[in-house]
Amino acid sequence: EAQVTQNPRYLITVTGKKLTVTCSQNMNHEYMSWYRQDPGLGLRQIYYSMNVEVTDKGDVPEGYKVSRKEKRNFPLILESPSPNQTSLYFCASSLMSLGSGSDGYTFGSGTRLTVV
Amino acid sequence: GQNIDQPTEMTATEGAIVQINCTYQTSGFNGLFWYQQHAGEAPTFLSYNVLDGLEEKGRFSSFLSRSKGYSYLLLKELQMKDSASYLCAVRGYYGQNFVFGPGTRLSVLP
Repeated sequence: EAQVTQNPRYLITVTGKKLTVTCSQNMNHEYMSWYRQDPGLGLRQIYYSMNVEVTDKGDVPEGYKVSRKEKRNFPLILESPSPNQTSLYFCASSLMSLGSGSDGYTFGSGTRLTVV
Repeated sequence: GQNIDQPTEMTATEGAIVQINCTYQTSGFNGLFWYQQHAGEAPTFLSYNVLDGLEEKGRFSSFLSRSKGYSYLLLKELQMKDSASYLCAVRGYYGQNFVFGPGTRLSVLP
């Protein structure tokens, strides 16, 4: 089954304790992206990657890191989490080409992160 | 800059028709998408428009006017399970950079 797998689904952590949220897709998609979703603010892009070893900042990258060592994996790293990073996080992937037509995003199930 | 506007909330009755509007101003345009998102769940793809006009998929239709920067999602024969947020998203010209609107929360009442 074609899917984007995110782990964990729920995470409660303390301020300053490094954490990683994993994301893996099995559709051979070039493009992967991380979003956070907060009430009233919608989905905001954190980082994206157009292919292996190619990553770039989205709209709200502060406090986050990513890596793209393999095409299928795109982990999100919070080196020193703070309470304002409490949010619902989504990983998403898609084909890259401009001619990909109606191929939009496939989203992971989400990770609800609470930083206390 | 890039800006997408949608109404924050809408309410409709089961069996009725509802239209959710989306206006956008983006630096590049390569398609407009509508997603449905139930509370706490991932968005799921509903429809796609890249040319002007109406696209119909069962109970859902989506319309696009590129010259006006305007789209709407039309939901017919509303069901209780249609209670969800509906996200309008514009894909930029380069790569697959999507900009999402804030979403419209639809409540379907019996």
